[in-house]
Amino acid sequence: EDQVTQSPEALRLQEGESSSLNCSYTVSGLRGLFWYRQDPGKGPEFLFTLYSAGEEKEKERLKATLTKKESFLHITAPKPEDSATYLCAVQAFVGQGAQKLVFGQGTRLTINP
Amino acid sequence: EPEVTQTPSHQVTQMGQEVILRCVPISNHLYFYWYRQILGQKVEFLVSFYNNEISEKSEIFDDQFSVERPDGSNFTLKIRSTKLEDSAMYFCASWEETDTQYFGPGTRLTVL
Repeated sequence: EDQVTQSPEALRLQEGESSSLNCSYTVSGLRGLFWYRQDPGKGPEFLFTLYSAGEEKEKERLKATLTKKESFLHITAPKPEDSATYLCAVQAFVGQGAQKLVFGQGTRLTINP
Repeated sequence: EPEVTQTPSHQVTQMGQEVILRCVPISNHLYFYWYRQILGQKVEFLVSFYNNEISEKSEIFDDQFSVERPDGSNFTLKIRSTKLEDSAMYFCASWEETDTQYFGPGTRLTVL
């Protein structure tokens, strides 16, 4: 069974204090690993897709990396507007078909000014 | 920026009533999904839909649930007889193989 575990569950940082969020996964055959941002009461907002170990992607203060067992979301010099829950999800490759996403429980990030 | 839309944003219903949640996926996407998120819990998969039929469904998606693509643009989730435990945020998503899964803003379902 595909599983995703995110740590920590919650993280509180000061503005400008860099850190990393972890996503560990087990999947039968990884088609893609997704990072989403979710604000309270809203839908997941797409950030990145990573497809193979060693791949990295960046967007503003965020950088996502992927190994064969985990992914990291690095946040550099965060601002209060980066406060949100960050979700990690995996999509298994099972040939043809509408492969679902399996989500972790998320990391609730709070950036204090 | 491509966008999935959902209506209504909030639905309040009495236990035992039928509800229909509506979604308009991204126009060139072929795969459609419903997920739900109970307050404070993970986003969990309900059902996937491709080529006018269900591709996969979870254990949650029992006989009380059904999905339909009644025309070329809408995708609906029907719950025939709602239970208290159906209260959750319901998210529609769509996907095309060279793209990512985009999610809608969600419908908050409250069952009283």
